[in-house]
Amino acid sequence: QKEVEQDPGPLSVPEGAIVSLNCTYSNSAFQYFMWYRQYSRKGPELLMYTYSSGNKEDGRFTAQVDKSSKYISLFIRDSQPSDSATYLCAFLRGSNYKLTFGKGTLLTVNP
Amino acid sequence: DSGVTQTPKHLITATGQRVTLRCSPRSGDLSVYWYQQSLDQGLQFLIHYYNGEERAKGNILERFSAQQFPDLHSELNLSSLELGDSALYFCASSVYARRRGSTDTQYFGPGTRLTVL
Repeated sequence: QKEVEQDPGPLSVPEGAIVSLNCTYSNSAFQYFMWYRQYSRKGPELLMYTYSSGNKEDGRFTAQVDKSSKYISLFIRDSQPSDSATYLCAFLRGSNYKLTFGKGTLLTVNP
Repeated sequence: DSGVTQTPKHLITATGQRVTLRCSPRSGDLSVYWYQQSLDQGLQFLIHYYNGEERAKGNILERFSAQQFPDLHSELNLSSLELGDSALYFCASSVYARRRGSTDTQYFGPGTRLTVL
């Protein structure tokens, strides 16, 4: 079983749609759950992080963590063409600083 | 702009050669991380340095080595290059001072694209 599973897409949606991105994981030691956004030919940038279970909202973005199901989600409301990018889920254990990434989902928001 | 700089942006070389990738962390950051991104493996952690000392290793090949210098910049050395080493190599930096419930954000540089022919 892979440590992290993420559907690579591609995902194509019209502008204004609600986007749902998901990852599953198998390592119970993960305590920090993150979403990175990577534009083409750029480095990843941290969008949101959640410590432990629950929801976190930041503008149009909502991150959800369900530790019992080992499932995390990122929702994007009112999606914009500028949201077109690859979205990577990432995980950290409490004891170290090594990020474990999903392979990323390529999202295209069409005007 | 994350504040992390990487040079060169692109590197084209031949199999069997050796290259050095350079990274300058954000001002004030003591930790440097190296990652490799390829189409089949995704983004993979290679190695972590904190204030000049190696702190953690990932799936880094023996042909690869890294160091962090007193001025905190870091270099990743790749030797006996193979076709499969072609990838994007990212450096990230962080302060390395995590408190419970808050994460030590890793800021990524723009990457070096390595092509081995």
